[in-house]
Amino acid sequence: KNEVEQSPQNLTAQEGEFITINCSYSVGISALHWLQQHPGGGIVSLFMLSSGKKKHGRLIATINIQEKHSSLHITASHPRDSAVYICAPSYYNTDKLIFGTGTRLQVFP
Amino acid sequence: DSGVTQTPKHLITATGQRVTLRCSPRSGDLSVYWYQQSLDQGLQFLIQYYNGEERAKGNILERFSAQQFPDLHSELNLSSLELGDSALYFCASSVAGTIALATQYFGPGTRLTVL
Repeated sequence: KNEVEQSPQNLTAQEGEFITINCSYSVGISALHWLQQHPGGGIVSLFMLSSGKKKHGRLIATINIQEKHSSLHITASHPRDSAVYICAPSYYNTDKLIFGTGTRLQVFP
Repeated sequence: DSGVTQTPKHLITATGQRVTLRCSPRSGDLSVYWYQQSLDQGLQFLIQYYNGEERAKGNILERFSAQQFPDLHSELNLSSLELGDSALYFCASSVAGTIALATQYFGPGTRLTVL
């Protein structure tokens, strides 16, 4: 069993739809990162959060420390959002990221 | 463009060989992280250096080693290469020494193919 569970594994959407990707982890963390990996392979860090909620443009990330759960939301999805989204928590006292298996998102016009 | 550079972009070599991957962090960043992404294992953390010193170690094989130089660039050395070492190798940099304190900026990756 992976320490970091993401759901869904694959997601298709029509342009304009609201997207939610979920991430659950098993132990206490110091921070959680959301990453975006483009079809060409490049990785971009979207958010780093340790509590609450962060918003950047059409992207919103939330985390519930007690529930050990984080969500990434995309409002008004667009084909350029098509990518793999990876959740990566950092467990207490490890200073290492543990990566989820990713959610592959395809947004169609 | 993240400001992190990696060379080479592609590397094809044979089993048993040794290669060196290079990473230059963003200006001002003191931490360099190395990651491996393979088809069967996904992304895995290998090792972190902060201001020249090893800071954290992940699933790095004994055949692999890394260092960070005084100018803060880093090299990842892979030796006695096996077919299973074929993967994308990313480096990332951040200003802080602790993952919880700063965003990581990823380089474009080096694709290693071992034949």
